[in-house]
Amino acid sequence: GENVEQHPSTLSVQEGDSAVIKCTYSDSASNYFPWYKQELGKRPQLIIDIRSNVGEKKDQRIAVTLNKTAKHFSLHITETQPEDSAVYFCAASKMSGGYNKLIFGAGTRLAVHP
Amino acid sequence: GAGVSQSPRYKVAKRGQDVALRCDPISGHVSLFWYQQALGQGPEFLTYFQNEAQLDKSGLPSDRFFAERPEGSVSTLKIQRTQQEDSAVYLCASSGGGTTEAFFGQGTRLTVV
Repeated sequence: GENVEQHPSTLSVQEGDSAVIKCTYSDSASNYFPWYKQELGKRPQLIIDIRSNVGEKKDQRIAVTLNKTAKHFSLHITETQPEDSAVYFCAASKMSGGYNKLIFGAGTRLAVHP
Repeated sequence: GAGVSQSPRYKVAKRGQDVALRCDPISGHVSLFWYQQALGQGPEFLTYFQNEAQLDKSGLPSDRFFAERPEGSVSTLKIQRTQQEDSAVYLCASSGGGTTEAFFGQGTRLTVV
C-alpha cells in the first residue's frame, strides 16, 4: 500500500526565515497531495493542496511543489511568523472507488522564534 | 453546523470497557472518514463511508472496532473491550466526495487506563 515519508520531524527557524518540509510517496498512482496544519489540541486544517497535473502551486507565503518522476513533494513557507508554529502533515491519495483515502506522513513540528 | 463536530472531546475508559465515539459531519457531505492519531504521529486511516455504505474498513485494527452510519449522516465508532494500545485521538473527517477537501473534527482523545 501507499507509504508517505516526511522530513524533517522537527524544524526550528527564526522569524522571517523560510521553512521547507519534504515528503516522498510510494504509490505512483497517487494524484492528490494536501498539506494540513495542526495546532496543539486542535483539528488538522488544510492549508494548500496540489494535484498531479500541476508542478507547483502558490498561495501568498505558502507554496507546494510536486515532482511526479521522483515521487516527492515539498511545502515552502516564506517570511515565517510565530503564528506559523504548528505541526504540519503532508498526505497523498489516489481516487479509487470514487473516494480518496489520505495517507499521512508522520508530521513536522515547526517552531518559529521571534 | 459550521463544521465537523465530535463528541465527547475526551474519554477515559478502564481496560475492557466498551466506548462509543460520535461524529456529526458537515450537512450534505457524502463522504465520511475515521482516522486514528497516536501521540506524535500522523492520522492513520480506519474506515470510509459513502452515505450509509461502509465501502472501506481496511484500516480497522481488529474486530473490536466497529463503525456505522445508518442514515448517511451521523457516524459512530465503537470500540469493544478497550485495551491500552487503543489510546489515541480519533478524528472524523467529511467531504463532498471525490478529491474535494476533507474537513476534520477536533477529535476525541481516548485514554484507556
